[in-house]
Amino acid sequence: GQQLNQSPQSMFIQEGEDVSMNCTSSSIFNTWLWYKQDPGEGPVLLIALYKAGELTSNGRLTAQFGITRKDSFLNISASIPSDVGIYFCAAPEGGSEKLVFGKGTKLTVNP
Amino acid sequence: GAVVSQHPSRVICKSGTSVKIECRSLDFQATTMFWYRQFPKQSLMLMATSNEGSKATYEQGVEKDKFLINHASLTLSTLTVTSAHPEDSSFYICSAIPGGTAIGYTFGSGTRLTVV
Repeated sequence: GQQLNQSPQSMFIQEGEDVSMNCTSSSIFNTWLWYKQDPGEGPVLLIALYKAGELTSNGRLTAQFGITRKDSFLNISASIPSDVGIYFCAAPEGGSEKLVFGKGTKLTVNP
Repeated sequence: GAVVSQHPSRVICKSGTSVKIECRSLDFQATTMFWYRQFPKQSLMLMATSNEGSKATYEQGVEKDKFLINHASLTLSTLTVTSAHPEDSSFYICSAIPGGTAIGYTFGSGTRLTVV
């Protein structure tokens, strides 16, 4: 099936630093979604992207839908301790409502 | 905003017993809900697609007789883990799509199942 390759697997940064993570695939997707998951909780939608080339912000978060429709990135600016968690990219499989997930990026922010 | 409520948040049961997990869409109707399983430090794995008024569609390798799914109304889907064993211990999460993909898939808060 379709796969999303998410990197990096983990990041350790200092508070105030910017963060960037990305997802790539050999398949084309029409929608890219970015989620954050806190321990013991379900994923929470951060940003949804629906158009190739689209750049969308949500506070300190910015995500882009790659022009080839095979990739997306998420940036977090001026990180704070509450940004700690696991970030997942996800996309609906072609012709289906089923979501494909990346393996996640675990973010640790040192105060 | 769209809210998916999942209950219970955690449950401990004895081997051989059955456990039911509920997933409710609180402010929207969901003809389709999804059930995921997540192992520690891993991503979400889709188990099945729950369809209101019809049989669930299970992913390859998921035992339909062990993980019973019922979607009897437009706001409620249930997952029953039958004859639970310790290897069924996991984090189970449901999701639904409120109003089409314009809002994105909304997830419940998950259920931590521990089988002892």
